[in-house]
Amino acid sequence: NAGVTQTPKFRILKIGQSMTLQCTQDMNHNYMYWYRQDPGMGLKLIYYSVGAGITDKGEVPNGYNVSRSTTEDFPLRLELAAPSQTSVYFCASSYREPEAFFGQGTRLTVV
Amino acid sequence: QKEVEQDPGPLSVPEGAIVSLNCTYSNSAFQYFMWYRQYSRKGPELLMYTYSSGNKEDGRFTAQVDKSSKYISLFIRDSQPSDSATYLCAMKESAGGTSYGKLTFGQGTILTVHP
Repeated sequence: NAGVTQTPKFRILKIGQSMTLQCTQDMNHNYMYWYRQDPGMGLKLIYYSVGAGITDKGEVPNGYNVSRSTTEDFPLRLELAAPSQTSVYFCASSYREPEAFFGQGTRLTVV
Repeated sequence: QKEVEQDPGPLSVPEGAIVSLNCTYSNSAFQYFMWYRQYSRKGPELLMYTYSSGNKEDGRFTAQVDKSSKYISLFIRDSQPSDSATYLCAMKESAGGTSYGKLTFGQGTILTVHP
């Protein structure tokens, strides 16, 4: 059982570049989330989705976009990367609140 | 003042010790209280959660919530080296509705259990 799979695990971006962080879950969960984790700051919600075709902003959505065309996939798009987006990004899914299953994370550095 | 305060530690204990991890919070609307364990370079893993006040036990782990004091605790009995990780508390006002995924996390406490 793979659970929540994130790719890539690591990435270095230059300022102004764009990239997509991939997230796939095989548990048929309706709810999916993107968080970022900064050192000493806990995790903060970027975007969430309650089902295919339905997404909404979390606490820190600026600079990011998402889409949810299938139940399994929830990619996070970074446009015009900035140093402030250097962080560890976690995707999570759940079948009921408040439980959530997290992926292993993507470590992103913007230089 | 942060909504959730958690002593970042680090905390180092000998194997077999009882560990107490704590969080305080200021938002009286929090109803769900969760503890996550995060190993180095891994995603958080939900250990347990409680709704409203009270205690919950799962094996060597006990979670306590005192809403009157706005204080939650996680106790680990007979701690093992495999318990070495960062422990994050997280809280939520309600389930679903306008609060999907809106967890408020503490900063995490780094725990090391040495043999």
